[in-house]
Amino acid sequence: GQQVMQIPQYQHVQEGEDFTTYCNSSTTLSNIQWYKQRPGGHPVFLIQLVKSGEVKKQKRLTFQFGEAKKNSSLHITATQTTDVGTYFCAPQGDYGGSQGNLIFGKGTKLSVKP
Amino acid sequence: GAGVSQSPSNKVTEKGKDVELRCDPISGHTALYWYRQSLGQGLEFLIYFQGNSAPDKSGLPSDRFSAERTGGSVSTLTIQRTQQEDSAVYLCASSLVTSGGGETQYFGPGTRLLVL
Repeated sequence: GQQVMQIPQYQHVQEGEDFTTYCNSSTTLSNIQWYKQRPGGHPVFLIQLVKSGEVKKQKRLTFQFGEAKKNSSLHITATQTTDVGTYFCAPQGDYGGSQGNLIFGKGTKLSVKP
Repeated sequence: GAGVSQSPSNKVTEKGKDVELRCDPISGHTALYWYRQSLGQGLEFLIYFQGNSAPDKSGLPSDRFSAERTGGSVSTLTIQRTQQEDSAVYLCASSLVTSGGGETQYFGPGTRLLVL
């Protein structure tokens, strides 16, 4: 079955440092979504990547989809305290299950020290 | 417009009691999902409804868990004979399914369940 690994599980950075989280799948994906969950909040959609090698940017956030569509990364440049939260990847592929059923990674919990 | 709403926001119950959690999806969204999130953990998929299709129940952890979606809108997640390990935040999400797939999921605020 589908295996999704997200690393690291935790990341502590000093404000202003960069941060990257990686999402790796054992199978080729049709697309991947990224979500952010603030402490005490619920996951909020950030972006979706569909094409092989795709790169998308949202201000200080850069999202990449691997050429083989098996991995993805989220990079934050010059972190701020507002970036604190857990970042989840949600790959979607043909798992033999229901279309639309995203499999969420375990998430990377980011803490930022001011 | 209104987002996904869930009720109650918090629920404290005694071990062995049944609980019902409610989810009101975004109007017009055909897909509805239930997840469970234990403290500090990731999202555990429970069940998925899509239109009139049979629900995907593959994530339900035991037969004490069941869910219904009436009229293609409101959904209720029922946990019978609750156990302490059922304590978690139960999140509902909805999405508008299109032929292209990869639909964004919009999450509700969750119901925090504590089983004593």
